[in-house]
Amino acid sequence: AQSVTQLGSHVSVSEGALVLLRCNYSSSVPPYLFWYVQYPNQGLQLLLKYTTGATLVKGINGFEAEFKKSETSFHLTKPSAHMSDAAEYFCAVKYSGAGSYQLTFGKGTKLSVIP
Amino acid sequence: KAGVTQTPRYLIKTRGQQVTLSCSPISGHRSVSWYQQTPGQGLQFLFEYFSETQRNKGNFPGRFSGRQFSNSRSEMNVSTLELGDSALYLCASSLWDRENYGYTFGSGTRLTVV
Repeated sequence: AQSVTQLGSHVSVSEGALVLLRCNYSSSVPPYLFWYVQYPNQGLQLLLKYTTGATLVKGINGFEAEFKKSETSFHLTKPSAHMSDAAEYFCAVKYSGAGSYQLTFGKGTKLSVIP
Repeated sequence: KAGVTQTPRYLIKTRGQQVTLSCSPISGHRSVSWYQQTPGQGLQFLFEYFSETQRNKGNFPGRFSGRQFSNSRSEMNVSTLELGDSALYLCASSLWDRENYGYTFGSGTRLTVV
């Protein structure tokens, strides 16, 4: 079964510092990968997705992620954290060809930004 | 363009009752999925509908059911509510039921069972 592991349930960074949120997936077939952000009392907002093509994906709000097949990773980064980035981030995978279209989510990483 | 609309936003029910939650997808979207979010289990897939047909179902008891109407609006129903059903229920819509399409999520319905 497919799975997603997010390392670190809580990450704290200083305002202006690099944001790095880690995501690893398990798969024997090419996956489709997504990052979502959730603000308190809200639903999930799509940050970016990897389907095919370029392995470095740029998303909204200055975030980007790189798909590394050899490492089965899809880490999310942002060069400079802003206070408004404080939220919970979810990595998700959707597999190709399995006849199944649901997203499998990681447990989430709560990002705190220290002023 | 209106987003995914879920109603109601908050709901308090008594154990043993049943509840129906509603989801209106983005106009033109034909795929609707439901997820349950709890602090302990995280985000778990409930079911997915495409053109009124249930395409996939997660590992939930039969008390959880859903349907999709011809206008793509979807409802999910939980019968005989248990305390553990307290959760945020999220609906998501997608243009097609293809792997490379991302989902747009609604703000969710917060269900509290007392």
